[in-house]
Amino acid sequence: SQQGEEDPQALSIQEGENATMNCSYKTSINNLQWYRQNSGRGLVHLILIRSNEREKHSGRLRVTLDTSKKSSSLLITASRAADTASYFCATGGSNDYKLSFGAGTTVTVRA
Amino acid sequence: DAGVIQSPRHEVTEMGQEVTLRCKPISGHNSLFWYRQTMMRGLELLIYFNNNVPIDDSGMPEDRFSAKMPNASFSTLKIQPSEPRDSAVYFCASSFGGRNEQFFGPGTRLTVL
Repeated sequence: SQQGEEDPQALSIQEGENATMNCSYKTSINNLQWYRQNSGRGLVHLILIRSNEREKHSGRLRVTLDTSKKSSSLLITASRAADTASYFCATGGSNDYKLSFGAGTTVTVRA
Repeated sequence: DAGVIQSPRHEVTEMGQEVTLRCKPISGHNSLFWYRQTMMRGLELLIYFNNNVPIDDSGMPEDRFSAKMPNASFSTLKIQPSEPRDSAVYFCASSFGGRNEQFFGPGTRLTVL
């Protein structure tokens, strides 16, 4: 079952702009992860934020987590054409291993 | 590091045939996952192994699906007999410890005619 739900489903931006996507989930989590999938490829792990963290940075990526609202956001700053991909949030619960993936946000960065 | 290796990358078969998908996890990882991705259902976890032992196979669709992990460096997912609705991309992923980031293979695109 898909616990995480990304919003929006699709996003089109100009190169250099920032891209923000959100993820909402239903049950309590141990951690939340974001993955990227380029067309025809496997998923690539971007960042993991634990339930006791509120914000995390990695390069041009910024992730926030609000456990009271059961939501997370992923911000990509200064987007590039290579950022064109689908982005998935995945929540890890008390079962440790089991990640529930959302349906993803498709991001298109126009040159 | 070669990453997670999956074979074949593409498989086209006819309904009723047996299909075997293969996965080599990253060396040193002790958790292995099989996922299926379709447009309709998204990414679904089929089965999870920890230290070569199946821990959770609740996502396996039905008895036609089986998975094995005979050693730490190899796993197979078998579908017998295959049906057109099994057409999907099948991913294998591995991690060190179940809670951590998962490393995905390139996937096997299966088409059952």
